[in-house]
Amino acid sequence: DVKVTQSSRYLVKRTGEKVFLECVQDMDHENMFWYRQDPGLGLRLIYFSYDVKMKEKGDIPEGYSVSREKKERFSLILESASTNQTSMYLCASSQGQGQYGYTFGSGTRLTVV
Amino acid sequence: QKEVEQNSGPLSVPEGAIASLNCTYSDRGSQSFFWYRQYSGKSPELIMSIYSNGDKEDGRFTAQLNKASQYVSLLIRDSQPSDSATYLCAVNRPDYGQNFVFGPGTRLSVLP
Repeated sequence: DVKVTQSSRYLVKRTGEKVFLECVQDMDHENMFWYRQDPGLGLRLIYFSYDVKMKEKGDIPEGYSVSREKKERFSLILESASTNQTSMYLCASSQGQGQYGYTFGSGTRLTVV
Repeated sequence: QKEVEQNSGPLSVPEGAIASLNCTYSDRGSQSFFWYRQYSGKSPELIMSIYSNGDKEDGRFTAQLNKASQYVSLLIRDSQPSDSATYLCAVNRPDYGQNFVFGPGTRLSVLP
């Protein structure tokens, strides 16, 4: 069964910590995405990548960075965690651009205290 | 105007009825439209895609697209309590890397 795996289901971090969220897919997909989901705000795109070493800012990139050293792995980095980054983080991958749907990971619920 | 709009619900229908979920979008250049189902505490899962005007059927699900009206809908026939979930509409953004923007979702409750 093809999968997008997020390394942690729940995380609690302190304000100011550097936080790494890991995502690995086994479908040989070129495209990977990071979203956050908040009540009332829906899914919002943070960063995306259409190729190894390539990354593009999404709608809300402030306070985040990403790394994609290998095709199957896309990491989200919170440079200095803040309480307003408490959220559900969802990683997704897709086969191609525009006409293919996403496969989502199970999500990481991050709480910053 | 928000890029993708949906009624937040909750939409309540009795078991066996047809549930109708609606979505409007603002970018006339969008060409790909998806419906995702998200159970509480779970991640979204893809259930339907549609690219051309008209209807597309898959089992109990029918997606409808009207590009002139910038309107997408999802019909669920013979609704079951297991269909109770939040349904997200996603629309591609051709001028922004072809990624997708999601609507806020409509919460559907199917009553036994």
